[in-house]
Amino acid sequence: GDSVTQMEGPVTLSEEAFLTINCTYTATGYPSLFWYVQYPGEGLQLLLKATKADDKGSNKGFEATYRKETTSFHLEKGSVQVSDSAVYFCALSQGTNAGKSTFGDGTTLTVKP
Amino acid sequence: DAGITQSPRYKITETGRQVTLMCHQTWSHSYMFWYRQDLGHGLRLIYYSAAADITDKGEVPDGYVVSRSKTENFPLTLESATRSQTSVYFCASRDRVSNTGELFFGEGSRLTVL
Repeated sequence: GDSVTQMEGPVTLSEEAFLTINCTYTATGYPSLFWYVQYPGEGLQLLLKATKADDKGSNKGFEATYRKETTSFHLEKGSVQVSDSAVYFCALSQGTNAGKSTFGDGTTLTVKP
Repeated sequence: DAGITQSPRYKITETGRQVTLMCHQTWSHSYMFWYRQDLGHGLRLIYYSAAADITDKGEVPDGYVVSRSKTENFPLTLESATRSQTSVYFCASRDRVSNTGELFFGEGSRLTVL
């Protein structure tokens, strides 16, 4: 079945540091790929998405590129802020599979001033 | 307000009691899901529904019951709560027509079973 493996945390960075959170997936077919973010005490919300190979999703300074050849969707940001402290989830969704999504275990990011 | 809402946001109960967590969405999304979030386990799917009156088990369904008599509501019931069901529960929905599969989440219900 489908699976998502993402970088274990927690990750602690200083403000303005460069962020990379690795995500690789296993899936048949051509899934859509997502990064969701969960701020403290809140539900998950979509951060960015990509629906086909070589697509780049971007939002709030974060980027991720759908790499089919390496089955990866790594999240990057050039300069993190304290407000980026959150839990980040990589996920995939197939058109089939009854609408279900597959999530990674989440990576906790803490950004210190 | 438009969106997906969960209630209650916080609940403390005792072992053996029945608890129902409510989920309501205003988009008429076909798919609805219940997840639980526990430290070290990420998100685990409990039950999901493809439409009214259609439900199916997810990864960890034992001890839970769902129903979906109306498209907009998807309540989750713990028939006899156990301490291992202490968790944060998230309801989510998505549109059947959308080909991207984006999920929309509620704010969560934090359940403590004493």
